[in-house]
Amino acid sequence: EVQLVESGGGLVQPGGSLRLSCAASGFTFSSYSMHWVRQAPGKGLEWVSYIGSNTIYKYYADSVKGRFTISRDNVENLVYLQMNSLRAEDTAVYYCAREIYYGGFDDWGRGTLVTVSS
Amino acid sequence: QSALTQPPSVSGSPGQSVTISCTGTSSDFGSYNRVSWYQQPPGTAPKLMIYEVSNRPSGVPDRFSGSKSGNTASLTISGLQAEDEADYYCISYTPSSTFIFGGGTKLTVL
Repeated sequence: EVQLVESGGGLVQPGGSLRLSCAASGFTFSSYSMHWVRQAPGKGLEWVSYIGSNTIYKYYADSVKGRFTISRDNVENLVYLQMNSLRAEDTAVYYCAREIYYGGFDDWGRGTLVTVSS
Repeated sequence: QSALTQPPSVSGSPGQSVTISCTGTSSDFGSYNRVSWYQQPPGTAPKLMIYEVSNRPSGVPDRFSGSKSGNTASLTISGLQAEDEADYYCISYTPSSTFIFGGGTKLTVL
């Protein structure tokens, strides 16, 4: 069974940093591209970032470019999202997701809540 | 880049069909057929319903179908059931190798 479990969320002050982790199991992690998607309270889904299976390709939404960094560990089956210079508008539930086709994410974690507030 | 345009809400009675549209520009869709659709009941993670415009993952009922014409993609749900009530989102791969979601559509089963 595919499992994705996010962790690392919490309360952080504006300008602060946080690193999210997503632990994957139940599939050959190194064969899949992985994504982070977020959802602000009461709002819609927003794509955040993508990392290819071999870590060469990484892309970011304009809203986080230059502040967030995605990475992965294909030995430990982990994907990370390093978030710096956090803003109030980054407050959201952050999901990691496995991609089976461009934009087709067939498995999602339960999400981890990030709250940016003073 | 703005979100793809979806109607905020649609509704239908059990047994009826509804269609949710997802409109963008050529900068959003490109010439690709890389559009997917998600269902999200309240308080849950999204569930993939359609990928590559019209393909259904295993386990998704064939009541759900997708199509695309020009810069508008559509999700059609036929034979509406109460359990279909949820928020629905489209997403497209863009020519700049990023992804963009639609604003979401709330489906109410009357």
